[in-house]
Amino acid sequence: QKEVEQNSGPLSVPEGAIASLNCTYSDRGSQSFFWYRQYSGKSPELIMFIYSNGDKEDGRFTAQLNKASQYVSLLIRDSQPSDSATYLCAAANAGKSTFGDGTTLTVKP
Amino acid sequence: DAGVIQSPRHEVTEMGQEVTLRCKPISGHDYLFWYRQTMMRGLELLIYFNNNVPIDDSGMPEDRFSAKMPNASFSTLKIQPSEPRDSAVYFCASSYNRDEQFFGPGTRLTVL
Repeated sequence: QKEVEQNSGPLSVPEGAIASLNCTYSDRGSQSFFWYRQYSGKSPELIMFIYSNGDKEDGRFTAQLNKASQYVSLLIRDSQPSDSATYLCAAANAGKSTFGDGTTLTVKP
Repeated sequence: DAGVIQSPRHEVTEMGQEVTLRCKPISGHDYLFWYRQTMMRGLELLIYFNNNVPIDDSGMPEDRFSAKMPNASFSTLKIQPSEPRDSAVYFCASSYNRDEQFFGPGTRLTVL
């Protein structure tokens, strides 16, 4: 079992819809959680981070964390074609980040 | 700021050769990370530094890999000797607080 697991995808949603990306982690010592967006052939870009249980909102993005369930999610509202990318979930313990394999999202116009 | 700078952007070498990858972090960032990304294994942390000191190198695959950070503005990742299975994209990232990491454009390494 991988330490960080994500929906295998690919995930396809119509423009304007809500995209929901999910992630589970196995290391209970993980303290910080991150969502990175990676366009094809580019480097990962941090889009959200969350440290506490609950929701954190930033524009069209909402990250949700449930430490008891070891579950992290990312919601993208009003999805745009420019959101089409691979989304990487990461869990960090004492500075060491472990990444999931990513979920590829396609937003269709 | 120019962001994290990596060089070269592409490297093609033959098995057995030494490869040196370079990274300049964002000024003021005290943390520097080296990652490797492949289709098979995803994105893996190799090593990270804090204030030029290696903190965790448990991800370095074997003794053929070494990393140094002689000063706050420069780091190298060296592979000697290189093998075809080292072919990957190598990313350098820097951070001011350890967690929020800014990635460089990466070096695509091909070992023939």
